[in-house]
Amino acid sequence: EAGVAQSPRYKIIEKRQSVAFWCNPISGHATLYWYQQILGQGPKLLIQFQNNGVVDDSQLPKDRFSAERLKGVDSTLKIQPAKLEDSAVYLCASSFPRVSGGTPGETQYFGPGTRLLVL
Amino acid sequence: GDSVTQMEGPVTLSEEAFLTINCTYTATGYPSLFWYVQYPGEGLQLLLKATKADDKGSNKGFEATYRKETTSFHLEKGSVQVSDSAVYFCALSVAGNTGKLIFGQGTTLQVKP
Repeated sequence: EAGVAQSPRYKIIEKRQSVAFWCNPISGHATLYWYQQILGQGPKLLIQFQNNGVVDDSQLPKDRFSAERLKGVDSTLKIQPAKLEDSAVYLCASSFPRVSGGTPGETQYFGPGTRLLVL
Repeated sequence: GDSVTQMEGPVTLSEEAFLTINCTYTATGYPSLFWYVQYPGEGLQLLLKATKADDKGSNKGFEATYRKETTSFHLEKGSVQVSDSAVYFCALSVAGNTGKLIFGQGTTLQVKP
């Protein structure tokens, strides 16, 4: 079974530029998560989708970050314009929920992440 | 709010030593608890989990017991190997909270031959 795919693996940009990350979840997984992992910290949720609907985007800096999940499969996370503090690893995860909105005991499967450096 | 606290790292051990990584949590409901591991250059992988009090999760020689009375989920292994060198994350998810994971800051383990 193929895992969660992400691209690119690495990206270096200058501040105020824009950047986009792509995620393809495990086939059949309805729930998709984007996490931000700053160096030395644990991952923090940015946004969660159930199929193509947003379940939780309370921690997403909406003035600069946006995400979409068209057709309920692939997802794209965008930052525009980027700031120095956005330097982090962006992780995509997916899960197969038993009930709508996800369940607390459900295993999430993570992709390899995209490492972003903003100069 | 809900949170997870892990022991500070890095932890350096010799091969075959006993490992304990402490994890405590604060949660408003009854959380499920997880240990994820991140090997160098790889993504996060689920190591083990427990979904209710007194459950023991185990995998690859690692164990952790969900202790509601002490709000803890400490990770243990009786004999570590060099290949266990990685970053270990304790996490929780709470019922009614969409299933999102709340992570601790991670603990780096280095095992020397």
